[in-house]
Amino acid sequence: NAGVTQTPKFQVLKTGQSMTLQCAQDMNHEYMSWYRQDPGMGLRLIHYSVGAGITDQGEVPNGYNVSRSTTEDFPLRLLSAAPSQTSVYFCASRDLEFSYEQYFGPGTRLTVT
Amino acid sequence: AQSVTQPDIHITVSEGASLELRCNYSYGATPYLFWYVQSPGQGLQLLLKYFSGDTLVQGIKGFEAEFKRSQSSFNLRKPSVHWSDAAEYFCAVGARTSYDKVIFGPGTSLSVIP
Repeated sequence: NAGVTQTPKFQVLKTGQSMTLQCAQDMNHEYMSWYRQDPGMGLRLIHYSVGAGITDQGEVPNGYNVSRSTTEDFPLRLLSAAPSQTSVYFCASRDLEFSYEQYFGPGTRLTVT
Repeated sequence: AQSVTQPDIHITVSEGASLELRCNYSYGATPYLFWYVQSPGQGLQLLLKYFSGDTLVQGIKGFEAEFKRSQSSFNLRKPSVHWSDAAEYFCAVGARTSYDKVIFGPGTSLSVIP
């Protein structure tokens, strides 16, 4: 199993550009989520999904869109990047029935200039 | 709504000394509780978790944590710290329903003096 994979590892955007951060998992987990990590603020939940076709907002959803068309994939879209979205983004997945342990991807470091 | 506080932003201990990292949570019912560790430039690794039962839980790397319902706390402990334990530690709380979110605290940065 590859676990949770994220692409790209690094990305630099200009203000106003759009992009999609990719996340995929091969563990057949129903639950997937996106966090952003900023110094002194820990991880803040952006959006999460409990299955294909079902998504919901977390603590800091503004400026981000998500969709879940398959169990495996959960992309995060930035429609118009802003410098405040400079952060490290982590995708995670977990099994809803058994351990509740979240498995994290390696992260994407995004810089918006 | 769930929330997690970690009162200590940064802690420095000497190698071999004992360690306690504090975590307090707010949630209307008994939550699921987690401690994660993040080494510099790395992802997050689960140290231990509490779901139910014995309130003292053992984790990996010699860590343990105790759930105290009356104090809404889930403090992480280690009797003897190693230099390799220097990292960022995050406490997290999840709700006891399948379809709810896991919220993280702001983290405690641990430095270890050789």
